[in-house]
Amino acid sequence: DTEVTQTPKHLVMGMTNKKSLKCEQHMGHRAMYWYKQKAKKPPELMFVYSYEKLSINESVPSRFSPECPNSSLLNLHLHALQPEDSALYLCASSPRTGGGNEQYFGPGTRLTVT
Amino acid sequence: DQQVKQNSPSLSVQEGRISILNCDYTNSMFDYFLWYKKYPAEGPTFLISISSIKDKNEDGRFTVFLNKSAKHLSLHIVPSQPGDSAVYFCAASYNDYKLSFGAGTTVTVRA
Repeated sequence: DTEVTQTPKHLVMGMTNKKSLKCEQHMGHRAMYWYKQKAKKPPELMFVYSYEKLSINESVPSRFSPECPNSSLLNLHLHALQPEDSALYLCASSPRTGGGNEQYFGPGTRLTVT
Repeated sequence: DQQVKQNSPSLSVQEGRISILNCDYTNSMFDYFLWYKKYPAEGPTFLISISSIKDKNEDGRFTVFLNKSAKHLSLHIVPSQPGDSAVYFCAASYNDYKLSFGAGTTVTVRA
């Protein structure tokens, strides 16, 4: 099983809403990632979790709040977003952090902020 | 600062012929290189990778070549098939978690 799943597939939210994105993997990977991808651009790293601990925050605004409840799950809590936050949000996992380390991506959540 | 560059935004190739995608990088510390394929509205799919200690890696129809002195890698797809039509991203990393992605090349395989 080399699958990373993400829910929901699509999400439309207002600027005052609170919502969460979910990501799950059952490959036994110990590193998980959140990326943001705008149209016609490469993915941009947001957060890295290693062994369920937040190891990297790429200077992401606090309106994005990640959470790793266990080694298989990764959440991204959203609050007071802006229209420019509309994008495809990708989750990825890899066996570990470190070099030589393929990351496997989920299908993404298409987020629209109105 | 774009450390990984894919200078061809698009490539059109006849079905059955070879597709060659190019990627250049500026950071000599990169030691691992990957290619991802992405269909619209889906996440990137890992295709093939190569370590800096090698100059070639092959997996079925996909071969990646690495020229460290030129800081250049390429992905060859032979033969190209209609299902190969997608955006291809080159990515690089060095001894850590972070992948630096190129801007992508859109491949269109013509029947």
